[in-house]
Amino acid sequence: GEDVEQSLFLSVREGDSSVINCTYTDSSSTYLYWYKQEPGAGLQLLTYIFSNMDMKQDQRLTVLLNKKDKHLSLRIADTQTGDSAIYFCAESISGGSYIPTFGRGTSLIVHP
Amino acid sequence: DAGVIQSPRHEVTEMGQEVTLRCKPISGHNSLFWYRQTMMRGLELLIYFNNNVPIDDSGMPEDRFSAKMPNASFSTLKIQPSEPRDSAVYFCASRHQDRAYGYTFGSGTRLTVV
Repeated sequence: GEDVEQSLFLSVREGDSSVINCTYTDSSSTYLYWYKQEPGAGLQLLTYIFSNMDMKQDQRLTVLLNKKDKHLSLRIADTQTGDSAIYFCAESISGGSYIPTFGRGTSLIVHP
Repeated sequence: DAGVIQSPRHEVTEMGQEVTLRCKPISGHNSLFWYRQTMMRGLELLIYFNNNVPIDDSGMPEDRFSAKMPNASFSTLKIQPSEPRDSAVYFCASRHQDRAYGYTFGSGTRLTVV
């Protein structure tokens, strides 16, 4: 199976919170990331969390890490139409030169 | 900083032709990565370089694919001969070697082989 798994689609109403979930398999993951890809563009790093942290907040973004269950989530508060994009979860380990392993991406669709 | 620059943005070519994709990494970044993105397979790492030296090319799908990095500011990915199944978006990314974050992606080259 995939090393990093995410659901493919999420649809939310503008103004609601979005929660994008991800599971990973490598227990030695050191860093976990969320990237955003807008149409016609490359991936852009949104945020990352070190594996010894449980939570990280950055403005409207909250990342939660459950290391026991190997589960990572990204919550976007007050979701806007500009947040519509594909969101990629990724993990990296120190032994792998910190090269991220990416999930397949979750397409977030924000509708009025 | 202009970011990672890829050219061309779009390429349409006929099967059997040679295709060359180009990438200019961010100045000062000494690691460069080539990825391929398709609906079927997601984002695949093809090859990466540290200090202009290829480190891992295990993701290169076939001998038809080759990549070079003649200097710190330029890399190419070549497909010869191209096939329709090579149609994808090809991304280049760069960062400081062994830095856990700070990956910067280019905008990609959308390749269509007809």
